[in-house]
Amino acid sequence: AQSVTQPDIHITVSEGASLELRCNYSYGATPYLFWYVQSPGQGLQLLLKYFSGDTLVQGIKGFEAEFKRSQSSFNLRKPSVHWSDAAEYFCAVGGRGNTPLVFGKGTRLSVIA
Amino acid sequence: DTAVSQTPKYLVTQMGNDKSIKCEQNLGHDTMYWYKQDSKKFLKIMFSYNNKELIINETVPNRFSPKSPDKAHLNLHINSLELGDSAVYFCASSQVGTYNEQFFGPGTRLTVL
Repeated sequence: AQSVTQPDIHITVSEGASLELRCNYSYGATPYLFWYVQSPGQGLQLLLKYFSGDTLVQGIKGFEAEFKRSQSSFNLRKPSVHWSDAAEYFCAVGGRGNTPLVFGKGTRLSVIA
Repeated sequence: DTAVSQTPKYLVTQMGNDKSIKCEQNLGHDTMYWYKQDSKKFLKIMFSYNNKELIINETVPNRFSPKSPDKAHLNLHINSLELGDSAVYFCASSQVGTYNEQFFGPGTRLTVL
């Protein structure tokens, strides 16, 4: 069965500190992996995506993620967090064609001064 | 230019009523989706349409009836609303052959009283 696990429900980091959000997936075929961000009361914005090739992908707002097939992981990182990064982050997996995305339960990021 | 738009943004109604949510995309995509985000922020697929044809219906109660008059529109009609239908409903679209990158609308927050 397809699934995505985000083990951390809530993470708090200090502004300027580094960030890593974990994501593990289970998918029976070649996975296409995504990270979305949702600010309070807002829709979902795509941060970055992985389809193939280089396993380290760069996204918007200074985020990057690394695909590790052996660990079935796609962790999101940012070297220096800004207060505006406080939001809910969702990892998702999909497949070829027009298959729906399967989402993790999200990680809420709080940023403190 | 809004890529995926939804109306209304907020919908408050009484139990037992019938309501509709509209979605339009101007990306020229051939596939559209409805996702439901529950009170715990969990996102789950409800329906997907490809070229106006229903391709996925994820065991959603038949009180929910999607309709796609053309490729650019996917509406969601809900009959006999129940308290448990309160959620945020997201429309999304994608194009077959583009690695399933899905673009989301801003969401419709439905509150059933």
